[in-house]
Amino acid sequence: EAGVAQSPRYKIIEKRQSVAFWCNPISGHATLYWYQQILGQGPKLLIQFQNNGVVDDSQLPKDRFSAERLKGVDSTLKIQPAKLEDSAVYLCASSRPDQETQYFGPGTRLLVL
Amino acid sequence: GQSLEQPSEVTAVEGAIVQINCTYQTSGFYGLSWYQQHDGGAPTFLSYNGLDGLEETGRFSSFLSRSDSYGYLLLQELQMKDSASYFCAVEEDQAGTALIFGKGTTLSVSS
Repeated sequence: EAGVAQSPRYKIIEKRQSVAFWCNPISGHATLYWYQQILGQGPKLLIQFQNNGVVDDSQLPKDRFSAERLKGVDSTLKIQPAKLEDSAVYLCASSRPDQETQYFGPGTRLLVL
Repeated sequence: GQSLEQPSEVTAVEGAIVQINCTYQTSGFYGLSWYQQHDGGAPTFLSYNGLDGLEETGRFSSFLSRSDSYGYLLLQELQMKDSASYFCAVEEDQAGTALIFGKGTTLSVSS
């Protein structure tokens, strides 16, 4: 089966600009996660969806970050405006409900200058 | 607060055995997972422990002691391709909930 797809793979922007990332999960996976991974650290959850509903967005900086999962399949994560500290890899993962294994996409490497 | 502690770096030679420890302090606990991440790559699932004891998957084994809030990943017959970062991650609530990751252990395998 095809894995989790993400685009773009790399993005360089200047601070205060906006950026959007796209994720297509594994077919049939109802649960989708967005994680932020800063260099040298483990991934940190930003938001979790179950189908098209938000399960957990407690760690999402809502003043600048937003995410949606229309129709319960693809998802988009947006940052507006970006700050220098947003430089990180943004990982999308998916899983079946009640499954402990999460499948990660290759990530989007964001550099904010 | 939530914390997962694991060593930052481990070095070993090909053919050796390495153990990466993880101690955790979280609000809740449902299970402990281990993920491998090569430089520039995606984290990939290695092993999961929901109950105390040892789980074996080929050259990799993982152990959990819930009473000690402790687990480890054991890698046997090390190969150069095992050079990567290894993360322990806690599921606090139930299967399918988000993972809380440790900072990762960088394993370097030399010949």
